[in-house]
Amino acid sequence: EAQVTQNPRYLITVTGKKLTVTCSQNMNHEYMSWYRQDPGLGLRQIYYSMNVEVTDKGDVPEGYKVSRKEKRNFPLILESPSPNQTSLYFCASSLQRSRQETQYFGPGTRLLVL
Amino acid sequence: DAKTTQPPSMDCAEGRAANLPCNHSTISGNEYVYWYRQIHSQGPQYIIHGLKNNETNEMASLIITEDRKSSTLILPHATLRDTAVYYCIVRIDYKLSFGAGTTVTVRA
Repeated sequence: EAQVTQNPRYLITVTGKKLTVTCSQNMNHEYMSWYRQDPGLGLRQIYYSMNVEVTDKGDVPEGYKVSRKEKRNFPLILESPSPNQTSLYFCASSLQRSRQETQYFGPGTRLLVL
Repeated sequence: DAKTTQPPSMDCAEGRAANLPCNHSTISGNEYVYWYRQIHSQGPQYIIHGLKNNETNEMASLIITEDRKSSTLILPHATLRDTAVYYCIVRIDYKLSFGAGTTVTVRA
């Protein structure tokens, strides 16, 4: 089944403890992206990647890192999480044949930073 | 990206058509209109998109006005499972800019 998977789905951590949220897609998509969703602010893009080893900042990249060593994986790294990073995170992917390709979203990761 | 305006909420009776309006008066000629929906904090789900012509797929129909300043998403026979937040997005690039959307509640 074609899908975008995220792990973990739920995570409670403490301030400053490094964590990684994984994202994987099995559709051979070039484009991958991370969003966060907060009440009243909608979904905002954190980082995106056009292909392997190509990443760029979105609208709210502060406090996050990403890497794209393989086409299928696009992990989101929080080196030193803070409470303001408590949010619902979504990974998305699409083909890169054109800018109009449909983006497919993962199920989300709910993060609580204490 | 052009901004969109959607009503914050609307109700719909099960089995009836749901018509969701969206205004995008500043849309430019090469920006597409996309609709996604999000069911209770799940990942957003693609519904349909179009540029100028009306579009239909197995989920919905999209009607775009001739001047492209507004559009309507039509769910032909709403079911309880269509209860969700519906987002209208105008898009030229890879990034999707989500607004507040319309919370649609389908009632039995």
